Amino acid sequence: GDSVTQMEGPVTLSEEAFLTINCTYTATGYPSLFWYVQYPGEGLQLLLKATKADDKGSNKGFEATYRKETTSFHLEKGSVQVSDSAVYFCALSEGSGGGADGLTFGKGTHLIIQP
Amino acid sequence: DVKVTQSSRYLVKRTGEKVFLECVQDMDHENMFWYRQDPGLGLRLIYFSYDVKMKEKGDIPEGYSVSREKKERFSLILESASTNQTSMYLCAILKAQARNTEAFFGQGTRLTVV
Repeated sequence: GDSVTQMEGPVTLSEEAFLTINCTYTATGYPSLFWYVQYPGEGLQLLLKATKADDKGSNKGFEATYRKETTSFHLEKGSVQVSDSAVYFCALSEGSGGGADGLTFGKGTHLIIQP
Repeated sequence: DVKVTQSSRYLVKRTGEKVFLECVQDMDHENMFWYRQDPGLGLRLIYFSYDVKMKEKGDIPEGYSVSREKKERFSLILESASTNQTSMYLCAILKAQARNTEAFFGQGTRLTVV
């Protein structure tokens, strides 16, 4: 079955540091890939996505590139802020739009940014 | 914007109680999901529904049931709450169109069973 593996946390960085959160996946088909973010006390919200190989998703200074050859979708940001402290989830979907295909999530990476 | 609303942010229930967690969406989406979120385990799918009165088991359905009597409402039921069901519960809808799939989540219900 499908699975998503992301680095364990917590990841602690200083403000303005460079961020990478690794994510690799296993899928039987050709999935779409996502990063979701969960701020303290809230539900998950979509951060960015990519639907085909070599696509780059970007939002709020975060980027991730769909690498089919390495089955990866690593999240990066050049200069993190305290407000980026949250839990980040990598996810995939093999849904083709016709059914109730859900999302497969990684276990989440807790990011802590110190001032 | 799609709005997914869970009826409670925090709940405290006693062991053995019957517990209802409600989720309401404001769009006409068919696909609704219930997940639980636990530290170190991420999100695990409990049940999902792809239409009114339809339901499918997810990865961890034991101890739970669901109800979908109306398209906009998807209820998660703990028939007899136990302490190992203390968790964060997240409802989501899945908007799927070709390869452009996106999930919209409620704010979560943190359930404590004592």
